Amino acid sequence: GDKVKQSPSALSLQEGTNSALRCNFSIAATTVQWFLQNPRGSLINLFYLVPGTKENGRLKSTFNSKESYSTLHIRDAQLEDSGTYFCAAEDSNYQLIWGSGTKLIIKP
Amino acid sequence: EAAVTQSPRNKVAVTGGKVTLSCNQTNNHNNMYWYRQDTGHGLRLIHYSYGAGSTEKGDIPDGYKASRPSQENFSLILELATPSQTSVYFCASGPHTYEQYFGPGTRLTVL
Repeated sequence: GDKVKQSPSALSLQEGTNSALRCNFSIAATTVQWFLQNPRGSLINLFYLVPGTKENGRLKSTFNSKESYSTLHIRDAQLEDSGTYFCAAEDSNYQLIWGSGTKLIIKP
Repeated sequence: EAAVTQSPRNKVAVTGGKVTLSCNQTNNHNNMYWYRQDTGHGLRLIHYSYGAGSTEKGDIPDGYKASRPSQENFSLILELATPSQTSVYFCASGPHTYEQYFGPGTRLTVL
């Protein structure tokens, strides 16, 4: 099964609303990263997390290693937030294991 | 910000042909990575390197070779390309596994 499982696989939101994306891990993740792949295909680093929470503008992410999950919250969604969000967990061999992504569409 | 470039950006190859994808980074990072991205999958690690002269197998190395002749350059080589290798390939570099900077990607089509 998937070592890093993202949900939902796709999401459509109205501009100005809030959302939460989730990653569940079946591995002993030590760190987590969140990336945005924008519609042009570029991969952008959003967060690098040890267990805990980080916030950057309208984005907030939490990594709970004990319960093996991470979340990415988007507040007041804007059109430029559209794209595919990936989480990636670092395993005990120091390798990044990627989820399959959540495709997010923001509608005006 | 880290600068990672890839060439070519698009490539059409024939089955059985040899394909070389090149990656260059200008930030003196030790680690470099090659991933492929297919619809329905996240990025999957093909090969990686800890420095010049080193190459390591990732999760899906079969059908691929890698070469790291210098700190700056990391190539992915498909000796006998197959249609199943049609994909988008990303190169990344970084000082640590948990800090990676990605190139713009190469779209490879094998006919």
